[in-house]
Amino acid sequence: QVHLGESGGGVVQAGKSLRLSCAASGFNFNIFAMHWVRQAPGKGLEWVAFISSDGRIENYADSVKGRFTISRDNSENTLYLQMNSLRPEDTAVYFCTKDQRVGVAGSLGPWGRGTLVTVSS
Amino acid sequence: SYVLTQPPSVSVAPGKTASITCEGNNIGGKSVHWYQQKPGQAPLLVIHYDTDRPSGIPERFSGSNSGDTATLTISTVEAGDEADYYCQVWDSSSDHYVFGTGTKVTVL
Repeated sequence: QVHLGESGGGVVQAGKSLRLSCAASGFNFNIFAMHWVRQAPGKGLEWVAFISSDGRIENYADSVKGRFTISRDNSENTLYLQMNSLRPEDTAVYFCTKDQRVGVAGSLGPWGRGTLVTVSS
Repeated sequence: SYVLTQPPSVSVAPGKTASITCEGNNIGGKSVHWYQQKPGQAPLLVIHYDTDRPSGIPERFSGSNSGDTATLTISTVEAGDEADYYCQVWDSSSDHYVFGTGTKVTVL
């Protein structure tokens, strides 16, 4: 059974950094592209970042480009999100998820339960 | 950037049919995916590639996509269908994944 478990969230001051992790199990991690998606309190879903299965291709939402870096360790089945220069508007639950189908830019799933990041001003 | 617009809320009586729209420029030319999210839970994929139901999703959930509007239809609505629903596409021009604004479905 597929399991995605996020960790690393917490309260951080504006301008500081935080690193999120997502431990994956139950599927062949190294053949699936992975994503981070966030949800601000009471708001909708916002796609944040993508990384290809081999880690060579990354893509970011305009709102985080230049501040966040997505990476992965296929030997450890773990996805990361390094968040620098954090802003109060980055406050959200951060979910990790995977491409539903190998090699296809389409649907996402399943999803982890998320980790809450709170940025204080 | 590509924008997907959904109605903020839809209300439906138990046993009736709920239709949730997702509007975007020529969305009929893209593949649309739908997610259900209950309070405090992660999103769950309920329809992908316009009309396909993932394993375990009831037949009551169906989708369509044409022109500038995609639609998620929930037939014979149950109390357990009360949730937020989001549409999503991959925008090839920006290589970004885009979510709709979300619709809260209330079962009366």
